[in-house]
Amino acid sequence: DVKVTQSSRYLVKRTGEKVFLECVQDMDHENMFWYRQDPGLGLRLIYFSYDVKMKEKGDIPEGYSVSREKKERFSLILESASTNQTSMYLCASCTSLPDTQYFGPGTRLTVL
Amino acid sequence: SQQGEEDPQALSIQEGENATMNCSYKTSINNLQWYRQNSGRGLVHLILIRSNEREKHSGRLRVTLDTSKKSSSLLITASRAADTASYFCAPWRAGGGADGLTFGKGTHLIIQP
Repeated sequence: DVKVTQSSRYLVKRTGEKVFLECVQDMDHENMFWYRQDPGLGLRLIYFSYDVKMKEKGDIPEGYSVSREKKERFSLILESASTNQTSMYLCASCTSLPDTQYFGPGTRLTVL
Repeated sequence: SQQGEEDPQALSIQEGENATMNCSYKTSINNLQWYRQNSGRGLVHLILIRSNEREKHSGRLRVTLDTSKKSSSLLITASRAADTASYFCAPWRAGGGADGLTFGKGTHLIIQP
């Protein structure tokens, strides 16, 4: 059974904190993605990675960075969290593009 | 970037009825996928239809694709309470890298008991 896990379901941070969101997949997928989902705006791609140490910006990369040191793990980093980064963050992976994406359960981040 | 637009934004029907939602997109695609999202959870893949296919079935789901009109529809027959969810279409095209990996805002489907 395919599995994408995210480190936290709910997270509360303060403005200015550095935040790490972790995503792990056990399917040996090359591609991994980070999206954020906001009411009325749908899902928007932040970054995606097509191989270890490789990344590409999505539609809204500002204020975020990513790290992929191992194939199974893709981290999203908020260098200095701001209130407008309060959102649901979804991680996904797939074996090739364009192919079915498998999503994690999501992390609901609140920045106070 | 490529983005599907789902229509309607919200749909409420009685249990047992059929639900139809539509997706329009702008550029040529390799395939189009439909996903479901239950409240506050991640997305689950439902069905993939390739650009050379016109119709595809999976259980109570029927998807059509009209590439000339750049549109797709998802039909859920004999709806159940568990079908209450948001449904997203994802038109994909190969070779675009991060471009073309965008979901729309979804159709929120409510099944009334």
